[in-house]
Amino acid sequence: GDSVTQMEGPVTLSEEAFLTINCTYTATGYPSLFWYVQYPGEGLQLLLKATKADDKGSNKGFEATYRKETTSFHLEKGSVQVSDSAVYFCALSDNNQGGKLIFGQGTELSVKP
Amino acid sequence: DTGVSQNPRHKITKRGQNVTFRCDPISEHNRLYWYRQTLGQGPEFLTYFQNEAQLEKSRLLSDRFSAERPKGSFSTLEIQRTEQGDSAMYLCASSPSGGGAEAFFGQGTRLTVV
Repeated sequence: GDSVTQMEGPVTLSEEAFLTINCTYTATGYPSLFWYVQYPGEGLQLLLKATKADDKGSNKGFEATYRKETTSFHLEKGSVQVSDSAVYFCALSDNNQGGKLIFGQGTELSVKP
Repeated sequence: DTGVSQNPRHKITKRGQNVTFRCDPISEHNRLYWYRQTLGQGPEFLTYFQNEAQLEKSRLLSDRFSAERPKGSFSTLEIQRTEQGDSAMYLCASSPSGGGAEAFFGQGTRLTVV
């Protein structure tokens, strides 16, 4: 079945450092890809998405590019802030399967001042 | 609309008791999903509804679990004869139909079975 694998955390960075969180997927169809974020004490919220190969999703300085050839959707940010500390989840959905989301295990990011 | 609402936010129950959770989705969303999340893991899909029809159930959803969405509005998730292994965060999400549609999540119901 479809699955998502993302790099294990926790990831600890200093403010203004460069962030990469790796995410790879396996899917039989043509999924849409998502990054969701969970800030402390809050619910899951969409950070960015891409619906087809070579699309780039971006939001709040974060970017991820849908790479079909490497089945990847790595999350990047050029300069992280303390307020970016959260748990990040990579996910896929296939509209032929009702749009249900299949999540990776999550990567905790901690940004120190 | 204030987003997806889940009640209660926390539930502590004794093993063997039945519990019921409620989810109120965003009103114009016809898809509604239930997920379960345990500590340190990503959410796992349980079931989903398109309007009032339950279209898919995960094998994680044992026969002690049942979900309904009468009239395609709010949904309930019932767990009968709870076990300690049912302790988790239960998340509800809703979305419109269509590929790549964003799912909006509630804040979840945290269940603790003692």
